[in-house]
Amino acid sequence: QKEVEQDPGPLSVPEGAIVSLNCTYSNSAFQYFMWYRQYSRKGPELLMYTYSSGNKEDGRFTAQVDKSSKYISLFIRDSQPSDSATYLCAMSESQAGTALIFGKGTTLSVSS
Amino acid sequence: DADVTQTPRNRITKTGKRIMLECSQTKGHDRMYWYRQDPGLGLQLIYYSFDVKDINKGEISDGYSVSRQAQAKFSLSLESAIPNQTALYFCATSDPDRGQFFGPGTRLTVL
Repeated sequence: QKEVEQDPGPLSVPEGAIVSLNCTYSNSAFQYFMWYRQYSRKGPELLMYTYSSGNKEDGRFTAQVDKSSKYISLFIRDSQPSDSATYLCAMSESQAGTALIFGKGTTLSVSS
Repeated sequence: DADVTQTPRNRITKTGKRIMLECSQTKGHDRMYWYRQDPGLGLQLIYYSFDVKDINKGEISDGYSVSRQAQAKFSLSLESAIPNQTALYFCATSDPDRGQFFGPGTRLTVL
């Protein structure tokens, strides 16, 4: 079993839709959870950084962590074509990620 | 100017050649990392450094070496490149309170 599982997609939605992206993990010691957005031929860009369980909102993006279920989610409201990218979840046991463990990424396409 | 820069951005080389990829950062972070990204495999950690005197192997360090020349500079070397080292390479720095920040990447092709 992989430490972090993420459905690769692709996921295609119309503009304005609510998008849900998810990761599951097996290591109960993970405490720090991140979501990155990666455009084609670019470096990953940090979107959300959360500690432990709960929700965090930033504009159209909401990150949720459910440690009891070992499940994290990223919601994108009012999706835009500019949101089309690959989304990577990442997590670590220690602050700042001595070793970040990444999911393989979900490719999202938002059509206008 | 970008906070994390990588040079070169693209490189094509031949099997057996020595290659150095360079990373510089202006974020003032102590911690720096090298990752490789392969299609279908995600990002894998090669080496990381907590400061100039502290360098650690990641999960896939075989065939690679690193040098931390200064707080702001962290180089990755392939002593004798092989075709399965063809990949996208990323440098990153980290802030303890905010996560890791990535450079734009170097696309390396080994023929």
